[in-house]
Amino acid sequence: KQEVTQIPAALSVPEGENLVLNCSFTDSAIYNLQWFRQDPGKGLTSLLLIQSSQREQTSGRLNASLDKSSGRSTLYIAASQPGDSATYLCAVRRGAGNMLTFGGGTRLMVKP
Amino acid sequence: GAVVSQHPSWVICKSGTSVKIECRSLDFQATTMFWYRQFPKQSLMLMATSNEGSKATYEQGVEKDKFLINHASLTLSTLTVTSAHPEDSSFYICSAAWVEQFFGPGTRLTVL
Repeated sequence: KQEVTQIPAALSVPEGENLVLNCSFTDSAIYNLQWFRQDPGKGLTSLLLIQSSQREQTSGRLNASLDKSSGRSTLYIAASQPGDSATYLCAVRRGAGNMLTFGGGTRLMVKP
Repeated sequence: GAVVSQHPSWVICKSGTSVKIECRSLDFQATTMFWYRQFPKQSLMLMATSNEGSKATYEQGVEKDKFLINHASLTLSTLTVTSAHPEDSSFYICSAAWVEQFFGPGTRLTVL
């Protein structure tokens, strides 16, 4: 059974810092991995999707990497801003179907 | 991007009543929809997978007679929480699958 773990569970940083969020998964036979953002009381916003054949994806100040063999992904946020404060979830897709397994999330607080 | 809506956004009901939550894909047809449950400060837990025109597949530990799912069309799935109790209070999120999963904004259910 696939298990997804995110470290740290919570993170508080001053504005402007570069930071790294970690995601690990136990079964490396994944179809793809996706990073989401969730604001309090809201649904999920997809940030980046990395296919199993890819090593990284970039969007603006966000960069996500994937090392399938070691079961790890990182989300790098450059020059963090207070507006980046949210919970970040990683999820892996099991095989060709659409089922996602989510990590526990990292709650990020960026202080002005 | 693809848009998924949920209705209602929040609902408060008395213990013992039934509550219906709708999930709609607004600009695409989704053969598969997923229902998740999220408790405060926890990640999303998959409850069931719903395929249009067939019975839903429930995850282990989810009572199918309590959480009734109907997927009558390619754009609409409903989740009915029957005889709701306070422990059913949670944030319910649906997603619709088309290439990837697109998430609705969630429904906050509070059972008094």
